[in-house]
Amino acid sequence: DTEVTQTPKHLVMGMTNKKSLKCEQHMGHRAMYWYKQKAKKPPELMFVYSYEKLSINESVPSRFSPECPNSSLLNLHLHALQPEDSALYLCASSRGLAGGGNEQFFGPGTRLTVL
Amino acid sequence: TQLLEQSPQFLSIQEGENLTVYCNSSSVFSSLQWYRQEPGEGPVLLVTVVTGGEVKKLKRLTFQFGDARKDSSLHITAAQPGDTGLYLCAGEKWTGNQFYFGTGTSLTVIP
Repeated sequence: DTEVTQTPKHLVMGMTNKKSLKCEQHMGHRAMYWYKQKAKKPPELMFVYSYEKLSINESVPSRFSPECPNSSLLNLHLHALQPEDSALYLCASSRGLAGGGNEQFFGPGTRLTVL
Repeated sequence: TQLLEQSPQFLSIQEGENLTVYCNSSSVFSSLQWYRQEPGEGPVLLVTVVTGGEVKKLKRLTFQFGDARKDSSLHITAAQPGDTGLYLCAGEKWTGNQFYFGTGTSLTVIP
């Protein structure tokens, strides 16, 4: 099973709302990722969790707050977003091996629209 | 900083034609992945290449990793409309668990 699931598939929120994106994998992977993708552009890395610890934060604004409750779950909490934050948010996971040789598997994404 | 450059950026071809997509970098990677992505969906992993000079075939798709592990190519033989999509390469840092995506190649195969 190489499935990564994401909920919700679509989300519309106002600039004052608080919402959360959820991601789950049951492949025993120990690294999980959040990416942001604009139309016709490659995914941009936001956060990496390795063994449930935040290992990379690519200078993401604090209105995005990641959380990794356990090795299978990854959340992205959203608060006071801007319209320019509208994008496809992708979650991915990989085995988490140090030194390379990892493969990333992606979820279907959450299409976020900020009004 | 975009570490991986893909070319061409856009490609529109007739069904049955062959094509090659290139992924180039000045950095060395521990592995390189190729993905295909359809609009509104997540990228789907096609292949991972790990060894310099490695060639992998997946039906009509042939992937090659450069000897110096800095570049890769994807060759499609007899393209079909189902091959239409955004093709992305991604290189993994030697420390592991960090990937850099290429600029993307949007392929359209016309029936």
